[in-house]
Amino acid sequence: DPKIIQKPKYLVAVTGSEKILICEQYLGHNAMYWYRQSAKKPLEFMFSYSYQKLMDNQTASSRFQPQSSKKNHLDLQITALKPDDSATYFCASSQENSGNTLYFGEGSRLIVV
Amino acid sequence: QQQVRQSPQSLTVWEGETAILNCSYENSAFDYFPWYQQFPGEGPALLIAIRSVSDKKEDGRFTIFFNKREKKLSLHITDSQPGDSATYFCAASAGGTGSKLSFGKGAKLTVSP
Repeated sequence: DPKIIQKPKYLVAVTGSEKILICEQYLGHNAMYWYRQSAKKPLEFMFSYSYQKLMDNQTASSRFQPQSSKKNHLDLQITALKPDDSATYFCASSQENSGNTLYFGEGSRLIVV
Repeated sequence: QQQVRQSPQSLTVWEGETAILNCSYENSAFDYFPWYQQFPGEGPALLIAIRSVSDKKEDGRFTIFFNKREKKLSLHITDSQPGDSATYFCAASAGGTGSKLSFGKGAKLTVSP
């Protein structure tokens, strides 16, 4: 059974629209992250949260907003979608915000048309 | 600026051979180097990791060789199996932080039976 659940698995969106990617982890971890994987780029770190607080933000655009309603949730809201936002977005978690193994979800593949 | 580089981008070996995947990095502050394995449609999964205080880490058929002076490391997969066919990512982080990982672009390994 997957311990990190991401929804939806696939998503097609229209340019200019807004979408939310859902992430729930059932590993009991207190740190959660978002990474992006594009076709021609390596996995890119976007955000890290620890105990529902933002620890690090490496995403330049404010169109990407993480939302943590519960300790084991970290959703990603993306507004004013652009075709360049097309990528697979991976949620990950770890026990602490330093020095521990990252566990990744299966990803949400977003295509913006 | 690409902080972690991998070579080759793709590699094909026969079953039973040793596959060697290379990685180099720029940032001297990096001291934690995990390798992740990713199958199509899945998220990356930690395979094996090494810290810069060591020059070798072994786990079954998987071994990391690390050269701090040259800022290089390699993943050796001995007795390669078709089930090892996947994309392998070298990653690195600084200060013992496993969270903000910088990833290489990945190497696609194909093991032919």
